[in-house]
Amino acid sequence: GQQVMQIPQYQHVQEGEDFTTYCNSSTTLSNIQWYKQRPGGHPVFLIQLVKSGEVKKQKRLTFQFGEAKKNSSLHITATQTTDVGTYFCAGPMTSGTYKYIFGTGTRLKVLA
Amino acid sequence: EAGVAQSPRYKIIEKRQSVAFWCNPISGHATLYWYQQILGQGPKLLIQFQNNGVVDDSQLPKDRFSAERLKGVDSTLKIQPAKLEDSAVYLCASSFGLAGNYNEQFFGPGTRLTVL
Repeated sequence: GQQVMQIPQYQHVQEGEDFTTYCNSSTTLSNIQWYKQRPGGHPVFLIQLVKSGEVKKQKRLTFQFGEAKKNSSLHITATQTTDVGTYFCAGPMTSGTYKYIFGTGTRLKVLA
Repeated sequence: EAGVAQSPRYKIIEKRQSVAFWCNPISGHATLYWYQQILGQGPKLLIQFQNNGVVDDSQLPKDRFSAERLKGVDSTLKIQPAKLEDSAVYLCASSFGLAGNYNEQFFGPGTRLTVL
């Protein structure tokens, strides 16, 4: 079945350092979403990418969708303590029904 | 705008007992999702409704789990009987769009289930 893997599983950074998480799907995705889940909280939608090679920015966050639409990345510039949490990518299991499968997640810790 | 509501927030039961979770999605949202999130893992879709019809329940353990969405609004998820491996957070989410449309998912706070 379709799998969505993320690397790294964990990342500890010093405040001010950059951070990147990578999302890789076993099959082509029609679109991809990114969510952030704070410790003890629920996932919160960040962004959706649809087009091949698409790049979107939200302040210090940069999201990219691969040309082959099988991978994606999230890059955070100059991390802050408020960036702490687990970042998930989510892609549709099959096109048409748009059931989403979540990636394995990357847990980010930011050391002040 | 009110968010997705879920109750209860916490539940502790013994194995083989039954439990039910309730979800009230954001008003006007056509699609409702139930996810199971085991500690340290990503949410796993159990069932997805579009209005009051089931879009997908391929990962729902139907021998013990059941869900319904009467009148296309509120939804309940039931486990009967519970097993130890059902210990997890059960998340409900809703989205405005129908399948194939832009469908940002809004999550509720979840119900943390512990099976002893």
